[in-house]
Amino acid sequence: AQSVAQPEDQVNVAEGNPLTVKCTYSVSGNPYLFWYVQYPNRGLQFLLKYITGDNLVKGSYGFEAEFNKSQTSFHLKKPSALVSDSALYFCAVSPFTGGGNKLTFGTGTQLKVEL
Amino acid sequence: DAMVIQNPRYQVTQFGKPVTLSCSQTLNHNVMYWYQQKSSQAPKLLFHYYDKDFNNEADTPDNFQSRRPNTSFCFLDIRSPGLGDAAMYLCATSREGQNTDTQYFGPGTRLTVL
Repeated sequence: AQSVAQPEDQVNVAEGNPLTVKCTYSVSGNPYLFWYVQYPNRGLQFLLKYITGDNLVKGSYGFEAEFNKSQTSFHLKKPSALVSDSALYFCAVSPFTGGGNKLTFGTGTQLKVEL
Repeated sequence: DAMVIQNPRYQVTQFGKPVTLSCSQTLNHNVMYWYQQKSSQAPKLLFHYYDKDFNNEADTPDNFQSRRPNTSFCFLDIRSPGLGDAAMYLCATSREGQNTDTQYFGPGTRLTVL
């Protein structure tokens, strides 16, 4: 069975500082990994995904994520946080074989960026 | 812009009164999904359609049904809503349902059960 873990319920960071939101995964075979962001009372917005190739994936709104196979991690990063980045972030994994496009989500990390 | 649209954004129903939530898409994607999301929890997949083929998750209660009359529209029917069904319901689409496909989400419908 596949799973993702987001070990931090909340991350606080000052505006202008770099941010990291952590995600670790457990899958059979190669992982397909996704990051989504959710603003209050809104749907999920796709940020980026890792399928294969470069370990550093660049996505929307200046976000990037680093795939680390040895540590089974896919942490989301941004060099300089904005107050408008404050939202709920979900990491998700899709099965390598079978199962279609059925995403398994982590429990989410609330990011709070303060002035 | 191509998008996923959900109506209504907010729905209030009474305990036991059937309710239907609507989703439409202009992306022309083959796959449509329905998720339930409770209070800042992870979204939970209820079922999905690949074209007209319906795929129910094993733990989705019978109280939840779905219809997809055409490529663009998909409906979620809750036959007898209970207080525990109050949640955000998210519709999503993907092009072919392959493991590498991105899912695109609508804004959600927040259901309140009185």
